[in-house]
Amino acid sequence: SAVISQKPSRDICQRGTSLTIQCQVDSQVTMMFWYRQQPGQSLTLIATANQGSEATYESGFVIDKFPISRPNLTFSTLTVSNMSPEDSSIYLCSVEWLAGETQYFGPGTRLLVL
Amino acid sequence: AQTVTQSQPEMSVQEAETVTLSCTYDTSENNYYLFWYKQPPSRQMILVIRQEAYKQQNATENRFSVNFQKAAKSFSLKISDSQLGDTAMYFCAFKVVNDMRFGAGTRLTVKP
Repeated sequence: SAVISQKPSRDICQRGTSLTIQCQVDSQVTMMFWYRQQPGQSLTLIATANQGSEATYESGFVIDKFPISRPNLTFSTLTVSNMSPEDSSIYLCSVEWLAGETQYFGPGTRLLVL
Repeated sequence: AQTVTQSQPEMSVQEAETVTLSCTYDTSENNYYLFWYKQPPSRQMILVIRQEAYKQQNATENRFSVNFQKAAKSFSLKISDSQLGDTAMYFCAFKVVNDMRFGAGTRLTVKP
């Protein structure tokens, strides 16, 4: 079965700094997504990462705060910019091999902002 | 807008027994997918089971089965012969095209 990896697995950052999270899949996928899971909460979709074009952001999330890249069909990055303690969350990438069907998740990145 | 409701924030079950987790959803769509995901303390979201709305037959995966009631918009998960490794958060999810919504989750504890 395919492997979805995320780097880093966890990090502790100072407020005002930025962190880039990588999501790598070992086979080409159609769709890639980024989610945020705040402590004790469910998952909230941040954006759909579009290959070769700007990401599609959900309401409440903006490109300046969460820039996303997807240079090819196996890789995407999410940057959390100008971090504050409220950004402390788990960030998860997910993928679909067939568009509109099952999403599979990476292992997540646990971020703590001090 | 699609919504997903899990009314049981926490549940517990004795090892080897059976437990049922509830999920209801609201949609005007006719074609969609429903999922149960498991999130153990390691935080990785693991697909447990999937149901296509057009299929009347309930999905099963080993010890996991669902009771899908389309008219009632209900999608419960039954775990048989519960094991200690089943201890996790369980999220019900609804998906139509690229719009995926998650419930608030049910924390399941399996007791020895």
